[in-house]
Parts: sequence; structure tokens; C-alpha cells
Amino acid sequence: DAGVTQSPTHLIKTRGQHVTLRCSPISGHKSVSWYQQVLGQGPQFIFQYYEKEERGRGNFPDRFSARQFPNYSSELNVNALLLGDSALYLCASSLSGGETQYFGPGTRLLVL
Amino acid sequence: QKEVEQDPGPLSVPEGAIVSLNCTYSNSAFQYFMWYRQYSRKGPELLMYTYSSGNKEDGRFTAQVDKSSKYISLFIRDSQPSDSATYLCAMSVNPSWGKLQFGAGTQVVVTP
Repeated sequence: DAGVTQSPTHLIKTRGQHVTLRCSPISGHKSVSWYQQVLGQGPQFIFQYYEKEERGRGNFPDRFSARQFPNYSSELNVNALLLGDSALYLCASSLSGGETQYFGPGTRLLVL
Repeated sequence: QKEVEQDPGPLSVPEGAIVSLNCTYSNSAFQYFMWYRQYSRKGPELLMYTYSSGNKEDGRFTAQVDKSSKYISLFIRDSQPSDSATYLCAMSVNPSWGKLQFGAGTQVVVTP
């Protein structure tokens, strides 16, 4: 069975650019959450979506946005990239919420 | 003060030893507690999930929760070199919400 998939695996951008990261949840899972993990730290919650509705938002600026599609896949968009946005972006899926979340391999973003 | 505190290590143990990991937290509303294992440049993998106080055992892994002390632990018996990874504690208030609060992670090195 396929787990959570994310694309691309790696990405290099320059300051001020825009980036779109993609996530496909485990088949049957309807909830997707996004996390940012800076090197040496634990993941920080960005968003949760369930049935295409935003269920939760972490303490991130409005430059960060996301959406969930009818097939439950999701996109994370980041505008006006800053050097500090360099991190591993993780997507997690769960059946309906948060009790058992399965993480994808992440997208490693480097902002120069 | 961070909501979840975890010693970053590194924690080095010889093969076969017991690995002892712990986290403390400040938010008494946390009800659900998890331990994830993360290999270098990979996404976190769920190891243990517990609810409220008590012990839970799964193979070589034992998770303990002491809500009165706001303290959780993970023990790994008969440690193997393949257990070398970063171990992240995570917790949430409500399983319906995707927001997990992570510790910074403890790097564990098991030497042959």
C-alpha cells in the first residue's frame, strides 16, 4: 500500500519567489496536515484540512496558504520566500483527524 | 518557555542497552501522547500512541505517561544499531485536531 507521497523531494528557490508543495494522503484518509521542520527542531504545525475545509492553522504568516482538493490531496503555497523558510516541509494524513497521523518523506526547501 | 521540552542529546548507548527517553510539558490539556522515530532526511514514523496516564508496551518499546508530573517516557530494550535515529515526542489536546505539538527530538546513537 502506498503511504503518504510528497512532491517534489527537493527544491531550491531564491528570496521573493513563490513555491507550491504537493501531498497525496494514504488512500481512504480524508485529513491532511502540514508541518515545517527546521534543522535541529521538531516539526511545527502549519495547517490542517479535513474534507476540503481548514480545520486548524498554526502561528505562521499569511504568506503561507493551503488547500485540499476533492480527491483529498493537498497543496501548500508559500509566497515571498524568505531565507528562514528553508526547512523540511512534512505532510501527514489521517482518517479524520489527529490521533494517528502518518507522515510523508517531506519536501526539502532551500531558499537562497 | 516551550510547551514541550525534550533533551536534544545526542544519547549514545552500546548495543543491547536500554535507551531511556523523556519529555516534559507545560499544557495540562494535552491528552494524547505519541512517540515518533525519524531517520536522517526522512519523515517521522509513528512508534507509540498512548492516551492519558499509564504504560503501554509494544515489542521492545514501552511508553509511559505521568500526567500528574507532566512527564512522558519511552524505553527501548535490547537496543540495536538500527535504532539509531532521532526520537520525537508529540502530544495533542484533541484527537480530532491535526495539531501535534512536538518536542525538539533526541538523537540516539547505538554503537555496535
